Amino acid sequence: GQQVMQIPQYQHVQEGEDFTTYCNSSTTLSNIQWYKQRPGGHPVFLIQLVKSGEVKKQKRLTFQFGEAKKNSSLHITATQTTDVGTYFCAGRNPTSGTYKYIFGTGTRLKVLA
Amino acid sequence: DTGVSQNPRHKITKRGQNVTFRCDPISEHNRLYWYRQTLGQGPEFLTYFQNEAQLEKSRLLSDRFSAERPKGSFSTLEIQRTEQGDSAMYLCASSLGQGEETQYFGPGTRLLVL
Repeated sequence: GQQVMQIPQYQHVQEGEDFTTYCNSSTTLSNIQWYKQRPGGHPVFLIQLVKSGEVKKQKRLTFQFGEAKKNSSLHITATQTTDVGTYFCAGRNPTSGTYKYIFGTGTRLKVLA
Repeated sequence: DTGVSQNPRHKITKRGQNVTFRCDPISEHNRLYWYRQTLGQGPEFLTYFQNEAQLEKSRLLSDRFSAERPKGSFSTLEIQRTEQGDSAMYLCASSLGQGEETQYFGPGTRLLVL
């Protein structure tokens, strides 16, 4: 079945350093969504990418969807303590004909002040 | 508050008992999802509804799990004969549908099976 892996599993950075998490799917995706989950909270939607090679920016966050639509990345520039949390990607299989989303394993980010 | 709500927020039960959770999605959202999340893991897909129709159910789910969305609004997730391995956070999410796929998550129901 479809699997979505993320690396790294954990990342500790000093405040002000950059951070990147990578998302890799075993199958081609229709689209990719990114969510952030704060400790003790629930996932909150960040963005959706649909087109091959698409790049979107939200302030210090840059999201990219691979050309083959099997991988994606999230890059945070100059991390802040408010960036702490776990970042998940989620994708949907275009051939399944359904709207079932598979979530990645997540990358937990800690920012040291 | 017009977000997704879930009840109860916490449930402690003994092994073998049945439990039922409720999810109220955002009004007019056509799709409703149930996920299970354990510590350090991503949300695991359980099932989803398009209006009142249950369109897909995870093959990982045993027959002890059942979900309904009788009028296309709120949904219930029932676990029969609970086992300790069912202990997890159960998350509900809804999306508008009609080309809009953003999922809005509720706060979850944390289940502990003793």
